[in-house]
Amino acid sequence: QTVVTQEPSFSVSPGGTVTLTCGLTSGSVSTTFYPSWYQQTPGQAPRTLIYSTNTRSSGVPDRFSGSILGNKAALTITGAQADDESDYYCLLYMSSGIWVFGGGTKLTVL
Amino acid sequence: QLQLQESGPGLVKPSETLSLTCTVSGGSISSYSYYWGWIRQPPGKGLEWIGSISYSGSTYYNPSLKSRVTISVDTSKNQFSLQLSSVTAADTAVYFCTVRGGCSGGNCSRARLWGQGTLVTVSS
Repeated sequence: QTVVTQEPSFSVSPGGTVTLTCGLTSGSVSTTFYPSWYQQTPGQAPRTLIYSTNTRSSGVPDRFSGSILGNKAALTITGAQADDESDYYCLLYMSSGIWVFGGGTKLTVL
Repeated sequence: QLQLQESGPGLVKPSETLSLTCTVSGGSISSYSYYWGWIRQPPGKGLEWIGSISYSGSTYYNPSLKSRVTISVDTSKNQFSLQLSSVTAADTAVYFCTVRGGCSGGNCSRARLWGQGTLVTVSS
C-alpha cells in the first residue's frame, strides 16, 4: 500500500523561506495526483492553501506557492511570518476516486 | 458563497452507528458539479479522508472504512450525510464535511471548502 509522506516537523526563521514536501513511498508525485495543501492551527478546521498543484485558494497570500519538485509535490512559504506556525497537510488523488492525506508537517517559526 | 455546517450526536455508543449531516447553505446542492465528502481527525492526530459522493450520485470510500461507511445526499433538504456503522473508540474524532470541484487534466474546478467540524466521541 502506497503511503503519502511528509516531513514530521520543520523549522523556519521569521522572514525565511521553507519548502515542505509531499511524496510517495512508491513512485513519483505528478500533477495527475492533483496535490493540495492545507493549513491547520489547533482547534480550527483546516484551511485550503493550494489545490491542483499550484493554484492558490481565494484569499491566500502569494507568499504561499505550490509546485512539483523532483518526484514530490512541494509547498513553499516565502517570508515566513509568526502566524504561519501551523500544521500543514498534503492530499493526493490516488485513483478510482480515492484520496490520501500525508501525515502532516508541524512548522515552527522561530 | 457556499457554506457547510455539520450536525449530529456528539456521543455514540460502541457497536452503534454514527450518523452526521452536513447542511449546505448559499447554494443548491443539486446545482453544482461538485463532490461532497467527509474527512475526520482523531484527537491529536492527522487528517483521514473518509469518502465522497459526486453530483451524479457515485460514491467513493476509503478502502479501510469501506465496509462500514455510507455517504448519501438529500437534495430536498440540501444536505448530505455520513453513516459509519459498528463504531469503536478508534472512531472518536472531529468529523469535517467538505466540498470540492471536479478534477481532470491536472486541474480541479475549485478549492476544497470545509465545515467547522464536529467532535464525535465513541464511549459507553
